[in-house]
Amino acid sequence: DAKTTQPPSMDCAEGRAANLPCNHSTISGNEYVYWYRQIHSQGPQYIIHGLKNNETNEMASLIITEDRKSSTLILPHATLRDTAVYYCIVRVAMEYGNKLVFGAGTILRVKS
Amino acid sequence: KAGVTQTPRYLIKTRGQQVTLSCSPISGHRSVSWYQQTPGQGLQFLFEYFSETQRNKGNFPGRFSGRQFSNSRSEMNVSTLELGDSALYLCASSFSVPGYEQYFGPGTRLTVT
Repeated sequence: DAKTTQPPSMDCAEGRAANLPCNHSTISGNEYVYWYRQIHSQGPQYIIHGLKNNETNEMASLIITEDRKSSTLILPHATLRDTAVYYCIVRVAMEYGNKLVFGAGTILRVKS
Repeated sequence: KAGVTQTPRYLIKTRGQQVTLSCSPISGHRSVSWYQQTPGQGLQFLFEYFSETQRNKGNFPGRFSGRQFSNSRSEMNVSTLELGDSALYLCASSFSVPGYEQYFGPGTRLTVT
């Protein structure tokens, strides 16, 4: 019941910006978009999240369209260590708390 | 601040046995969630605990259970293991029930033979 759609894979040249798209056309008004990444089957690592405004932190920027139906994660200067599976997730509200519903993710390959 | 720790990191069990996995959340975090990751199904939510109470549960059979202790540490148990239970089991902690930023542990790799 993943609520997001991502391309299965993308390539990016080292030092260039990596732009990872995500479609979440059925997102509800109070549902947040989260991005995680997973390297070599380690535990997923939190990157960033947002509701409707663009967000930026030390790792990345998140651009959410005005209609909230899609978003883009931007890694400004990709390095080889950014090679990972990137998950765009909608945080689904439950009776108590929330859960993260992971899709298949995008395999990002950063190449030198 | 120490991250989420999971023990053991690797485990091999035989079909029909049971297994208990442990998770210690980040200090101060009260919410613990468990996920199963397999190549075929990806990352799937198992359950979430907060203040020793199971708040939410995913679509897994009753063979999968868990609990949380007063110090927020959590355990999950799988009884009558099946070959299909072979997976990476991930634990994630967050500060509060709304589960904002979840921080994941390294996982326990369970192999059922």
